[in-house]
Amino acid sequence: EDQVTQSPEALRLQEGESSSLNCSYTVSGLRGLFWYRQDPGKGPEFLFTLYSAGEEKEKERLKATLTKKESFLHITAPKPEDSATYLCAVQAGTGGFKTIFGAGTRLFVKA
Amino acid sequence: NAGVTQTPKFQVLKTGQSMTLQCAQDMNHEYMSWYRQDPGMGLRLIHYSVGAGITDQGEVPNGYNVSRSTTEDFPLRLLSAAPSQTSVYFCASRDTGGGDTQYFGPGTRLTVL
Repeated sequence: EDQVTQSPEALRLQEGESSSLNCSYTVSGLRGLFWYRQDPGKGPEFLFTLYSAGEEKEKERLKATLTKKESFLHITAPKPEDSATYLCAVQAGTGGFKTIFGAGTRLFVKA
Repeated sequence: NAGVTQTPKFQVLKTGQSMTLQCAQDMNHEYMSWYRQDPGMGLRLIHYSVGAGITDQGEVPNGYNVSRSTTEDFPLRLLSAAPSQTSVYFCASRDTGGGDTQYFGPGTRLTVL
């Protein structure tokens, strides 16, 4: 069964304290792995797409990496405005029409 | 360019009532989908459509109906609301012509009493 697991469930950091969020997945025929940011009361906002093991993408203080079994979202020197829930999702199978989401990691960054 | 819009933002229903959640996108995307989001769980796919006149079931389709008469609109119908359908509902769209990014609407928070 296709599955996406994110850890930790919640992460509390001090401003400037770098850390990583984990997304492990078990799918047949991975077509792409996605990271989204979700602020309270809003819809998910796209951050990155990774397609193959070894691929990396960066945006401001965020860097996403992908291996054959997991993805990491590295947050370097976070700021309070980085506080949000970060969602990982995978697209798998023929056509890639079904996307499976993890439960998310809630990130709190304190000034 | 409004992206993906959803109405209403909030709704309270009584058990057994029916209603339609509206979703529209102005990006000419072929693929549209409905998800529900519950505390401690990831977004779960309810139904999706790969174009006008074509719909299919996702992971949790029971109790919901969809239709797709135009590229722009993808309404979700609750036939007979149940407390288990209390959730936040998100509509999303994606361009199947090479892009995999899904664009989400702002969500509808539904409470069934």
